[in-house]
Amino acid sequence: SQQGEEDPQALSIQEGENATMNCSYKTSINNLQWYRQNSGRGLVHLILIRSNEREKHSGRLRVTLDTSKKSSSLLITASRAADTASYFCATDSSSGTYKYIFGTGTRLKVLA
Amino acid sequence: DTEVTQTPKHLVMGMTNKKSLKCEQHMGHRAMYWYKQKAKKPPELMFVYSYEKLSINESVPSRFSPECPNSSLLNLHLHALQPEDSALYLCASSQVVGELNQPQHFGDGTRLSIL
Repeated sequence: SQQGEEDPQALSIQEGENATMNCSYKTSINNLQWYRQNSGRGLVHLILIRSNEREKHSGRLRVTLDTSKKSSSLLITASRAADTASYFCATDSSSGTYKYIFGTGTRLKVLA
Repeated sequence: DTEVTQTPKHLVMGMTNKKSLKCEQHMGHRAMYWYKQKAKKPPELMFVYSYEKLSINESVPSRFSPECPNSSLLNLHLHALQPEDSALYLCASSQVVGELNQPQHFGDGTRLSIL
């Protein structure tokens, strides 16, 4: 079963607006990563947050992690048409299986 | 441009054919991965190689056969595939397996269609 479930499944916003997507997971983790995938391309790493961190920023990206609720959110501020893509969270497992499991993904469409 | 190169970009094959997917990275990474991704779904892990040795096989059917000839190359040999195997096959690499606080670098994938 999927480690991460994301919502919403799809999100459509106007350019300049903020986009928030959420990821929930089931078991304890060491860290959580967010990836972007443009249509027909591979995944691109955006940001990694460790289990002992609560918030992290990278440019227009803000990621939060709440380990008590087993959830994370990705906020993209001042969105641009180029942000149109699918966004996936990926969680490891603290059980030491050395692999990441990807969430179901959010398809973001930013309208110009 | 991605730092992980996959060839071919597209592949159409019949169910009786034998073909291979190739992946190459020159970042000095010692962990390499194969994922399968269906449309509008997340990538699903197939295999993990660590220092050229297979460390994880996610119960993948034997019609998929991975090979890691050296630290820069990863192949996926295909034989007698089924129509449901049609998907985007992604290769990824990371510095080492076992240190999970590092990103994976993905290629752009091979779009595989089984007739």
